[in-house]
Amino acid sequence: NAGVTQTPKFQVLKTGQSMTLQCAQDMNHNSMYWYRQDPGMGLRLIYYSASEGTTDKGEVPNGYNVSRLNKREFSLRLESAAPSQTSVYFCASSERLSGNTIYFGEGSWLTVV
Amino acid sequence: GENVEQHPSTLSVQEGDSAVIKCTYSDSASNYFPWYKQELGKRPQLIIDIRSNVGEKKDQRIAVTLNKTAKHFSLHITETQPEDSAVYFCAASIDFGNEKLTFGTGTRLTIIP
Repeated sequence: NAGVTQTPKFQVLKTGQSMTLQCAQDMNHNSMYWYRQDPGMGLRLIYYSASEGTTDKGEVPNGYNVSRLNKREFSLRLESAAPSQTSVYFCASSERLSGNTIYFGEGSWLTVV
Repeated sequence: GENVEQHPSTLSVQEGDSAVIKCTYSDSASNYFPWYKQELGKRPQLIIDIRSNVGEKKDQRIAVTLNKTAKHFSLHITETQPEDSAVYFCAASIDFGNEKLTFGTGTRLTIIP
């Protein structure tokens, strides 16, 4: 039981390049999330998928796209990376209702130069 | 939307002493308040949570208190140990989906041996 796994763990991109962060969970959760973590700003929600087949914008969606490939997998794509997207990205999953524990992946450290 | 403020941003305490981290929230409809702990380079993990129908909850050396009238809640760690050194995040949400969970900006707690 691995929980939430995400790849890659580290990535350096040049401005304008594209990349996809992959995430999978084995807890049979309906909901999945992508957060970014920046110093002094806590965890901010980029996009979420409340259930398989649906995706919605979170607090900071600009510059990102997502795909809920199936119940297990939820990917985050940067189409044209910008230095402002340098951050640590966390995938997470939970049952949807407030009060259910959110389980995070180990994080992906992304640097855009 | 919800706004969660967390103080202090950094906190150093002597090993064995107590630590208190405070958060305030803006939406009086919020009724779920979790605390997450993030060790250096690791994923955030839930350590304790409280619902608005409860004023205090304890789990061994950690406790959370909630004042609904003043719209603030606090994390209390007693008999601190070196392994308590981490960043702690508070969060708040209404009784809806976990996508509504709003995080505070984090407190870096350092335990001085």
